[in-house]
Amino acid sequence: KNEVEQSPQNLTAQEGEFITINCSYSVGISALHWLQQHPGGGIVSLFMLSSGKKKHGRLIATINIQEKHSSLHITASHPRDSAVYICAVRVEGGATNKLIFGTGTLLAVQP
Amino acid sequence: NAGVMQNPRHLVRRRGQEARLRCSPMKGHSHVYWYRQLPEEGLKFMVYLQKENIIDESGMPKERFSAEFPKEGPSILRIQQVVRGDSAAYFCASSPSRIDTQYFGPGTRLTVL
Repeated sequence: KNEVEQSPQNLTAQEGEFITINCSYSVGISALHWLQQHPGGGIVSLFMLSSGKKKHGRLIATINIQEKHSSLHITASHPRDSAVYICAVRVEGGATNKLIFGTGTLLAVQP
Repeated sequence: NAGVMQNPRHLVRRRGQEARLRCSPMKGHSHVYWYRQLPEEGLKFMVYLQKENIIDESGMPKERFSAEFPKEGPSILRIQQVVRGDSAAYFCASSPSRIDTQYFGPGTRLTVL
């Protein structure tokens, strides 16, 4: 079982829909990242969370440390939001700062 | 402030050759991380360096792979005697401290023929 699980793996939405991507993890963490990757492209860091909720434009990220769960929401989705969204956790403790990644959610927003 | 720079963006090598991947972190960032993304797989941690020191190399293959981050110049990920299974996208990230957000470079796509 992966230490970081995302759902769904694939998601197709119509333009304007509200989208939720979920991330569950099984290790103790000091922070959780949400990343965006376009096909064949680089990786953009969207959020880093250690508690609560963050908002940037149409993107909202929440985390529940007790339940070991985070969600990424996209409001008023647009075709340009089509990408792979990746959840990654930074394991707590020790000198390491490595990230453990989920397998990603492929989002396609259709016009 | 330029972002994380990686070069080359694409690298083609024949089996048995050496591959050198370079990463210039963002200005003021002294922490560098290398990650590998194999085709159809997720990202995996390889190594974490802080100027002149390897902090965590638990994700590095035991043979043929090495990394450095010298006092001056970029971080280098070196793969000796490449094999077809090394074909992947290699991403570098940097951060100003151990607990800050990591910023990713555009990646180097290595193809081994």
